[in-house]
Amino acid sequence: AQSVTQPDARVTVSEGASLQLRCKYSYSATPYLFWYVQYPRQGLQLLLKYYSGDPVVQGVNSFEAEFSKSNSSFHLQKASVHWSDSAVYFCALSMATGGNNKLTFGQGTVLSVIP
Amino acid sequence: SVLLYQKPNRDICQSGTSLKIQCVADSQVVSMFWYQQFQEQSLMLMATANEGSEATYESGFTKDKFPISRPNLTFSTLTVNNARPGDSSIYFCSSSTGTSTEVFFGKGTRLTVV
Repeated sequence: AQSVTQPDARVTVSEGASLQLRCKYSYSATPYLFWYVQYPRQGLQLLLKYYSGDPVVQGVNSFEAEFSKSNSSFHLQKASVHWSDSAVYFCALSMATGGNNKLTFGQGTVLSVIP
Repeated sequence: SVLLYQKPNRDICQSGTSLKIQCVADSQVVSMFWYQQFQEQSLMLMATANEGSEATYESGFTKDKFPISRPNLTFSTLTVNNARPGDSSIYFCSSSTGTSTEVFFGKGTRLTVV
């Protein structure tokens, strides 16, 4: 069975600092991987996705993530965070395509950016 | 992309009553998924709904408690039967296009059972 682990429940950084949110997955093949952000009392917004090819993927709002098959990881990064980045971030995995894309989510990481 | 509209945005219901949550897609989609999110927790897949067939439920979710209808390729309804305070959570519908791996979400329905 597949699983996603986000080992850091909460991360606090200062505005302008760099950020890395960790994500580890378990799946026998190469999965489809996603990072979503959830702002307070809102739905999920897709930040970026990885299917294949270049292991470094660029997303919205200057976020990027790096896929590592050897480490079974898909860490999210940002060079300089803003206070408005404070939110909950979810890493997710999908095994399938063709319209039947069930997602397995990690536990989420609450990011707090201190002004 | 797919836009998913959920109704209602939020609701409060009495214990023992039932509540319907609607999800409408702006284009035809093969599968619709329903997720449950308790406050400050992750999203759990409840069920997969395809047109013309019974929904497939994940472990811990049953059709008696959470019946799902999928009458056509743009619409699905999740019902919460015999609601209890423990059902208080946010319910999301989700889908993707036929050829894409990208997954889209509705804005969620926040349910409070009192």
